[in-house]
Amino acid sequence: QSALTQPPSASGSPGQSVTISCTGTSSDVGGYSFVSWYQQHPGKAPKLIIYEVDKRPSGVPDRFSGSRSRATASLTVSGLQAEDEADYYCSSYAGSNNFVFGTGTKVTVL
Amino acid sequence: QVLLVESGGGLVKPGGSLRLSCAVSGFNFRDYYVSWIRQAPGKGLEWISYMTITGSTIYYADSVKGRFTISWDSAKDSVSLQMNSLRADDTAVYYCARQDKPNPPDYWGQGTLVTVSS
Repeated sequence: QSALTQPPSASGSPGQSVTISCTGTSSDVGGYSFVSWYQQHPGKAPKLIIYEVDKRPSGVPDRFSGSRSRATASLTVSGLQAEDEADYYCSSYAGSNNFVFGTGTKVTVL
Repeated sequence: QVLLVESGGGLVKPGGSLRLSCAVSGFNFRDYYVSWIRQAPGKGLEWISYMTITGSTIYYADSVKGRFTISWDSAKDSVSLQMNSLRADDTAVYYCARQDKPNPPDYWGQGTLVTVSS
């Protein structure tokens, strides 16, 4: 199973928005509504911020939003804050008990 | 409160073995999968294994198949990962995580570092 494709980096100034793409195929992102996004700060475990494409777990700010178009999922962080600087990973169910992660995107707050 | 706590990491020589443990609490583990996911230094995340507590579903990534074995220890409410024939490229932080399949993981442990080096 190949990793989902994410841009290596993204950046924005405080208060701005940044959108990260996650490109897969019809066998994963495009075929199932089980796409999640994780935020990972250095030295910490990943934290779930979006599940089932566009749902937010309790406690995650509504500045984080998810969407999907065909085989590309997207995470948008609105109103960027300093604490949003982190690595972000997407992941998807890929059928037949398979799961796949994205390659990861480093978000820098300028 | 959902908790997953890994233990057992450390330094091991190439070809050696190590057993990781993931103690789970705060949820009905019979309703979920428990996964092992690793992250090599400076790299991304890689699923390596997961199982249902009943053992009815067990998965291994090709990179570890035949070398790693996942199992449930009912006496300790923990999921173990027995790692044999370790290689330098197995060096990583190993996380255990809860999964409500077919969703990817929701809760993660803090991770345990495995270093394979002579």
